[in-house]
Parts: sequence; structure tokens; C-alpha cells
Amino acid sequence: SQQGEEDPQALSIQEGENATMNCSYKTSINNLQWYRQNSGRGLVHLILIRSNEREKHSGRLRVTLDTSKKSSSLLITASRAADTASYFCATDPWTSGSRLTFGEGTQLTVNP
Amino acid sequence: GAVVSQHPSWVICKSGTSVKIECRSLDFQATTMFWYRQFPKQSLMLMATSNEGSKATYEQGVEKDKFLINHASLTLSTLTVTSAHPEDSSFYICSARDRVGYGYTFGSGTRLTVV
Repeated sequence: SQQGEEDPQALSIQEGENATMNCSYKTSINNLQWYRQNSGRGLVHLILIRSNEREKHSGRLRVTLDTSKKSSSLLITASRAADTASYFCATDPWTSGSRLTFGEGTQLTVNP
Repeated sequence: GAVVSQHPSWVICKSGTSVKIECRSLDFQATTMFWYRQFPKQSLMLMATSNEGSKATYEQGVEKDKFLINHASLTLSTLTVTSAHPEDSSFYICSARDRVGYGYTFGSGTRLTVV
């Protein structure tokens, strides 16, 4: 079952604008990861944030994690049309037998 | 970086036939492999987890006799959809985790269409 919820489900913005996606989860985690998926393709790992971290940056990506609220956000700055894709958060409890549990995803459309 | 090769990328088969999907880790040993299913505009649903040399662990509601998973080596796992039906049409994605660190590497997915 999917434990993550993401909002918004769909987001449409203009090139150059920032895009923010949120993810909430229910159980304890060791880390939370964000993935990108272009239509009909596999997943691309974007960034991982550990439970003892609050914020992480990678290029135009900024991820925050609030374990007290069990939530995370992904910010894409200065968006480009090529950023159009679905974005998923995934939680990893990193216990014996652990596996990723995915959120419902946000479909981002960046209009040129 | 770690690479997982999944093929075929797409397959069309007739109802009642079986289809095998392969997932190979190219430059690392995948102790554990995961198989996901994804319907259009939906998220990934975990079907099963397999450890090399062991029987796969299936998620609730996934028929193990229909979705046969074999993980005979540290670099290869296969998913066989047996007696496929149109409702099995979906996007199937594998993921492999290596022994060290937190990394999960995903295959590029297989689009299965059963006609």
C-alpha cells in the first residue's frame, strides 16, 4: 500500500517559475527520496534526505524534511520545459526487509 | 553509476500466453530486487521483493502463481506473467538494491499489453 500522499496531484507553471511539491508519510523513516519519471519511462533518482537532515540542495533542487510533521517538500527553482514529468517521493525505513514506499506523485507541467 | 537493464521495454502478447521480463544489474551485485507495477497516471505499487537464492515475498493481493519471480543470481531477476489477461496490461518496473549504502536503482520499465 502507498503510505505517501503528495500534493498537488498536478501542477502547471510557466518556465522560469518555481515549483513546489509536498509529500506526507505515516511511518518512521530512515530516509526519504525524490524521483522523477518521464511519461512511460523508468524512474530517475533525484535526491535523498536522511531523517537527521532538515534540508538538502542539489543544483536547482531543494528538499526539506520535517520528521515531526512527517512531511517533505521538493522545490525546483527556475523551472524549464524539460522539467515536465511526474515526481514521486519514496520513504525508506531501512530496517530489515525494508523497501521503498511511493507517494501518489505530482504531475508537473512547465509551459514554455 | 549503478545501472539496471530491463527488457523488453515493451511487449504485446495474446491472452493466455506467458511473458518474461528480465532485470539485470550491470555493474553491481543486487542482493535484493523489487518488482513494481504502475497503471496509467498512478503511482508505483510494489508487487514483490526477491533476495538472491530465496523465494520472493509477495505483497498482499498479488498472486504468486501468476507473477513468477526468479532471482537465481546476484545480477539477474525475472518476472514471468503467466496466462496473461488484458487486465495484466500495465507498466512493470524493477529496482535493485546493492549490498552497501542506500541506493536503489531502477530499470527503465516494460510496457506490457495483453490483447
